Amino acid sequence: AQSVTQLGSHVSVSEGALVLLRCNYSSSVPPYLFWYVQYPNQGLQLLLKYTSAATLVKGINGFEAEFKKSETSFHLTKPSAHMSDAAEYFCAVSAGRGNTPLVFGKGTRLSVIA
Amino acid sequence: GAVVSQHPSWVICKSGTSVKIECRSLDFQATTMFWYRQFPKQSLMLMATSNEGSKATYEQGVEKDKFLINHASLTLSTLTVTSAHPEDSSFYICSAFFPRTLGVNTEAFFGQGTRLTVV
Repeated sequence: AQSVTQLGSHVSVSEGALVLLRCNYSSSVPPYLFWYVQYPNQGLQLLLKYTSAATLVKGINGFEAEFKKSETSFHLTKPSAHMSDAAEYFCAVSAGRGNTPLVFGKGTRLSVIA
Repeated sequence: GAVVSQHPSWVICKSGTSVKIECRSLDFQATTMFWYRQFPKQSLMLMATSNEGSKATYEQGVEKDKFLINHASLTLSTLTVTSAHPEDSSFYICSAFFPRTLGVNTEAFFGQGTRLTVV
């Protein structure tokens, strides 16, 4: 079984500051890990994914995440926050085998202060 | 890239009526689609797994007679909320995997979501 824990339901940063959104996972099999962004009343957009290749994954909009097996973590970072980054961010895990659904964390709302 | 289209994007219906939500994979075939429900300021909760040509698999606590799922073709799954009540008001999102490698699904695409309001 898989599960995801996102630390911090709300993170607030100043524009230009580092963004760090935390995600820890639990998985009984080698995990596939994802970060999604959701804007109000919209679906989910994939930011990046880890699928057992490089542990440092680069995504869209300047985001990246590092898979650390020893820490069971997959934290999302961005060097410099932009106002347009304000949204809800979801970390998700799947077993990656066959048609298995994603299991989502509770989400972290990112606010960017001018 | 692969696209999953969901329709309608929002719907308002009267209590007691039924509402159908469509989820289409536009440029790939999806033998399996997933339906999620999202309450305000909360995460996505898996409701059911929709399998083409067979019965859907529902998560514990989800009423299969209330949330009817039909996956009649490889590109279309529908969710019908029957006899809707105000507590069914929510954001419903479908998802399908883009099959890059046989047996290994690594790319999930989501529909735009449907905001259902039951009055």
